[in-house]
Amino acid sequence: KQEVTQIPAALSVPEGENLVLNCSFTDSAIYNLQWFRQDPGKGLTSLLLIQSSQREQTSGRLNASLDKSSGRSTLYIAASQPGDSATYLCASRNQAGTALIFGKGTTLSVSS
Amino acid sequence: GAVVSQHPSWVICKSGTSVKIECRSLDFQATTMFWYRQFPKQSLMLMATSNEGSKATYEQGVEKDKFLINHASLTLSTLTVTSAHPEDSSFYICSARALAGGWAGELFFGEGSRLTVL
Repeated sequence: KQEVTQIPAALSVPEGENLVLNCSFTDSAIYNLQWFRQDPGKGLTSLLLIQSSQREQTSGRLNASLDKSSGRSTLYIAASQPGDSATYLCASRNQAGTALIFGKGTTLSVSS
Repeated sequence: GAVVSQHPSWVICKSGTSVKIECRSLDFQATTMFWYRQFPKQSLMLMATSNEGSKATYEQGVEKDKFLINHASLTLSTLTVTSAHPEDSSFYICSARALAGGWAGELFFGEGSRLTVL
């Protein structure tokens, strides 16, 4: 059964820093991997979706990479801002018709 | 992206009552919807997979008689928490898998429903 792990669980940085959030998964035979943002008490906002055939996706200051062979994905946030403060969730799907399996998230706090 | 609407967004009920949460795909059809629950500061845990016109598939440890799921149409799935107790208080989120079109196969999430059982 797929397990998704995220490290670190929490991270505090000053504004302007570049940072990396890590995600690992036990079953490398994934269909896709997705990064989400969740603000306190709110639903999910999809950030980046990487298909199994892709190695990375970029959106603005965000870049997500995927290395299936090692079972890892990273989310790179450039020039962090206080508005980036949120919990970031990594999730993977094993097959097209299955649900996303989530990690426990990394809670990011960016101070001004 | 496509829109998934959950209703109600929050609900408070007394212990012993039943609460129904609706998950609607507004601009696409979904043969499959997934229900998750999230405890405070925890991740999303998959509860069940809801398939249109058939019985839901529940994850291990989830009581199917307590969490009734109905997926009567291609745009609506409902989760009913029966005889709710304070330990059922949680954030419930649904996800719908687009059947066809430009979003085929993609998953879209509702905004979640916060249940508080007194």
